[in-house]
Amino acid sequence: RKEVEQDPGPFNVPEGATVAFNCTYSNSASQSFFWYRQDCRKEPKLLMSVYSSGNEDGRFTAQLNRASQYISLLIRDSKLSDSATYLCVVNKDTDKLIFGTGTRLQVFP
Amino acid sequence: GAVVSQHPSRVICKSGTSVKIECRSLDFQATTMFWYRQFPKQSLMLMATSNEGSKATYEQGVEKDKFLINHASLTLSTLTVTSAHPEDSSFYICSADRGYKDGDYGYTFGSGTRLTVV
Repeated sequence: RKEVEQDPGPFNVPEGATVAFNCTYSNSASQSFFWYRQDCRKEPKLLMSVYSSGNEDGRFTAQLNRASQYISLLIRDSKLSDSATYLCVVNKDTDKLIFGTGTRLQVFP
Repeated sequence: GAVVSQHPSRVICKSGTSVKIECRSLDFQATTMFWYRQFPKQSLMLMATSNEGSKATYEQGVEKDKFLINHASLTLSTLTVTSAHPEDSSFYICSADRGYKDGDYGYTFGSGTRLTVV
């Protein structure tokens, strides 16, 4: 089983739509969780950390379910500029990051 | 904010030659840096953890004699791909850890190096 698993997509959604991504992780001892965004041929950039209580940043909401070992990202009112690959990232050994393969999102007009 | 500079951004080299990639933290000191590799349509795979002043820690399956890492100062880590072969062609990205601050882990990524071995 992969340490971090994501549906690769692609998710093709119209502008204004709400889209949700899920991610599962295998190491129950993981403590830190993140969503990164990666544009084509670019480095990943932190979108948001994921806290146990869930957190929201504008149109983006992240949730963590420790019991089921999954993380979710919800994007509301999708914009064309949201088109990218979204990487689920989990820490390992306190300082190592393990990346999922990413979920590709394509927002169309 | 924390900035990590990575050079070169793109390099093409002949098979059998060596290529050095630099990763610098510009406005903070990084005792730990990480090197990743990403093949097309695949995830970033951690190759090694670079520790200032000591030997790097390599992930399973990564050849330490092929991917030489040097972390000589708190702001610079280098990855040298020795005797490169076409299968080493990939996107190499470094990440520096500015430490846990303001409730967040500070992992900042370099812009990546696209290596093509011909």
